[in-house]
Amino acid sequence: SQTIHQWPATLVQPVGSPLSLECTVEGTSNPNLYWYRQAAGRGLQLLFYSVGIGQISSEVPQNLSASRPQDRQFILSSKKLLLSDSGFYLCAWTPRGRDEKLFFGSGTQLSVL
Amino acid sequence: GENVEQHPSTLSVQEGDSAVIKCTYSDSASNYFPWYKQELGKRPQLIIDIRSNVGEKKDQRIAVTLNKTAKHFSLHITETQPEDSAVYFCAAMHSSASKIIFGSGTRLSIRP
Repeated sequence: SQTIHQWPATLVQPVGSPLSLECTVEGTSNPNLYWYRQAAGRGLQLLFYSVGIGQISSEVPQNLSASRPQDRQFILSSKKLLLSDSGFYLCAWTPRGRDEKLFFGSGTQLSVL
Repeated sequence: GENVEQHPSTLSVQEGDSAVIKCTYSDSASNYFPWYKQELGKRPQLIIDIRSNVGEKKDQRIAVTLNKTAKHFSLHITETQPEDSAVYFCAAMHSSASKIIFGSGTRLSIRP
């Protein structure tokens, strides 16, 4: 069966520090991969999505970037965090093909202080 | 691009009553509409979905209706129970676009 792993679960970082969040999917190949951010008490904002290795689409211009170095690995990065980067970051995936069901990872609660 | 609007933002109903959450979408090419339930501090979980070739789908106490002409879809929860309290998100997706856009969420509270 397919599973998605996301880590770390919580992270506290100072302003100006770098960020790297990692997500991997198991039990499937060639998935679509997504990064969403959820501010406290708010909705799900799509940040990046990828339909293949090295293919990244950015939805919101900001100081974050994403990379997909392997088929089932999706990484969210920042060179210098801002206070406004705080939030709940969720990785997600859908299988390739007609079944578009989106499954979320367990999320990373990021606090930038 | 796609834009999804969701109403109401908060909803309080008496236990046993029904709850209805409504969403509208902007891209007429969208063809897949899932609903997610998110409990505090947890990941959103898919509870029901509907494709554009279907007008209604039901799963026990949960049902979703879709009006393609008006570009709106709704979630109906009947006989609400305390465990239904959560934040609910609607979403819309166009298969060829590969991205899923979410509504702003509805915080549902069930009063005992």
